[in-house]
Amino acid sequence: GIQVEQSPPDLILQEGANSTLRCNFSDSVNNLQWFHQNPWGQLINLFYIPSGTKQNGRLSATTVATERYSLLYISSSQTTDSGVYFCAVVSGNTPLVFGKGTRLSVIA
Amino acid sequence: GAGVSQSPSNKVTEKGKDVELRCDPISGHTALYWYRQSLGQGLEFLIYFQGNSAPDKSGLPSDRFSAERTGGSVSTLTIQRTQQEDSAVYLCASSFSVYNEQFFGPGTRLTVL
Repeated sequence: GIQVEQSPPDLILQEGANSTLRCNFSDSVNNLQWFHQNPWGQLINLFYIPSGTKQNGRLSATTVATERYSLLYISSSQTTDSGVYFCAVVSGNTPLVFGKGTRLSVIA
Repeated sequence: GAGVSQSPSNKVTEKGKDVELRCDPISGHTALYWYRQSLGQGLEFLIYFQGNSAPDKSGLPSDRFSAERTGGSVSTLTIQRTQQEDSAVYLCASSFSVYNEQFFGPGTRLTVL
């Protein structure tokens, strides 16, 4: 099945810093989503982005489907951005396959 | 409802007991999924339902796990004879179809003593 790799696995940022999270996948995808899992375990939808670029406030994402990667940009990070960021893909007729996540800690 | 809802939010049970977890998807969503997340791990697919098609059960870890979806809406995940390794957060998601954006419920945290 499709493999999803996220990097870095852990990231510590000073408040106000910018960061880029990466998601590589091993096959073509029909769906790609980025999630933020908050400290209470809730998965928050950030982007549905099988291709192209989207922006939502301080967050933006780009998926280059032909090169099998997606990037999540966080600008001017805040402590509330802390948590785990997951990339997940659908390939063929499968359900979402998740990467192992990037654990982000933003310190004041 | 506005989002996916799950109940109970927490469940503590003794080894060997059966448990039922419930999921109410977003109205109009024909696809419904169950995943689980063990402590510190990523999310693992269990089963999904798409409309009236036979469910994809390929992710169920053992025959102690089963799920049903009644009337194309509410789903129940049943774990029989629970084991300690079943302890995890069980998450439900729904979408218009398998290729559309999935939305997750808050999860049920299951603890097997």
